[in-house]
Amino acid sequence: EPEVTQTPSHQVTQMGQEVILRCVPISNHLYFYWYRQILGQKVEFLVSFYNNEISEKSEIFDDQFSVERPDGSNFTLKIRSTKLEDSAMYFCASSEVYGYTFGSGTRLTVV
Amino acid sequence: AQTVTQSQPEMSVQEAETVTLSCTYDTSESDYYLFWYKQPPSRQMILVIRQEAYKQQNATENRFSVNFQKAAKSFSLKISDSQLGDAAMYFCAYRPFRYNTDKLIFGTGTRLQVFP
Repeated sequence: EPEVTQTPSHQVTQMGQEVILRCVPISNHLYFYWYRQILGQKVEFLVSFYNNEISEKSEIFDDQFSVERPDGSNFTLKIRSTKLEDSAMYFCASSEVYGYTFGSGTRLTVV
Repeated sequence: AQTVTQSQPEMSVQEAETVTLSCTYDTSESDYYLFWYKQPPSRQMILVIRQEAYKQQNATENRFSVNFQKAAKSFSLKISDSQLGDAAMYFCAYRPFRYNTDKLIFGTGTRLQVFP
């Protein structure tokens, strides 16, 4: 069964550093998403991406965040200057029409 | 704004028994989708079952079924013949059927424990 692949599975970074989280969506999917889950809390929408541009973003997705599909297969989330409160599980997802498939997540720890 | 409420932070069930997880939601939309996701300790989000609001028939996937009550805005998940591998966090999620948004709105989750 096709999968959404996320790398790395765990990343530790120092506060103020830039991080890039990587995702390979399912190849024939057209819609891509990032969600995050702070430990013990609910899953929150960050951004959706379609046709090489952001289609929707949440209030969480401020100027410190950006997304990119650099080469037609990867989908990345960049956090420019990480804060302690960015520590969370970040999930990538892709969708063909309305059925999401999530990746296994990247645990980001900001120290 | 749409909200999803899961009022049971934790539930437990004996192996082979049946358990029902509750979910209610608030929306003014008439068309939408509802989902149940399972998150085992590995933290991966796994789709369990999906329901389209326009369908009156309750969705079923093997041991998993839903009780969708549109008027009551209720979407409960029934797990029959519970297995140890069913132990996980279960999230209810809502998605409107509109062209300009497809984000999922999640509830806070229910942790299900399964005892042998």
